Amino acid sequence: EVQLVESGGGLVQPGRSLKLSCLASGFTFSNYGMNWIRQAPGKGLEWVASISSSSSYIYYADTVKGRFTISRDNAKNTLYLQMTSLRSEDTALYYCARQGVYYGLSYYFDYWGQGVMVTVSS
Amino acid sequence: DIQMTQSPASLSASLEEIVTITCQPSQDIGNYLSWYQQKPGKSPQLLIHSATSLADGVPSRFSGSRSGTQYSLKINRLQVEDTGIYYCLQGYSAPWTFGGGTKLELK
Repeated sequence: EVQLVESGGGLVQPGRSLKLSCLASGFTFSNYGMNWIRQAPGKGLEWVASISSSSSYIYYADTVKGRFTISRDNAKNTLYLQMTSLRSEDTALYYCARQGVYYGLSYYFDYWGQGVMVTVSS
Repeated sequence: DIQMTQSPASLSASLEEIVTITCQPSQDIGNYLSWYQQKPGKSPQLLIHSATSLADGVPSRFSGSRSGTQYSLKINRLQVEDTGIYYCLQGYSAPWTFGGGTKLELK
């Protein structure tokens, strides 16, 4: 059974940093692209960042570029999101999600974690 | 960036009714379109990928279609458990973008 378990969230002051983790199990982690997606309270879904299976390709939303860093450790089956210079608008539930693969292409999210809450407030 | 215009924003329908939700991208995205259902307090779940392919374990009353540049999610014979918020997503190019969501309620 595929499982994605996020951790590392919490309350943090504006301008500070936080690192999220997502522990994957039930599949060969090193074969799949992974993503972070967030959802502000009462709002819709916003894609945040993407990393390919071997970390060769990394993409960010403009809203986090230069402040967030996505990375992965395939030996530990873990995805990370290092968040710096946090702002109040970064307050959200952060989900990690696996990219599904269809005929060799990967452009949707087939499994999601339960999410971890990040609150940026003084 | 590709914008995804999803409609309607909210929808109230009766049991067994047919429901249709649409998404219109701001540019061509081929079939790189997926649909998700999110129930209150839960993570989103994949329903449809590649515009028309039903995800594993999803009831067959859900279907996806494409007509030109417009994409649709159809729910045949609406059930109680189908209430929630539905999102489309374009995975054609980064930044991947979601539609604004459709809140589906039972009448």
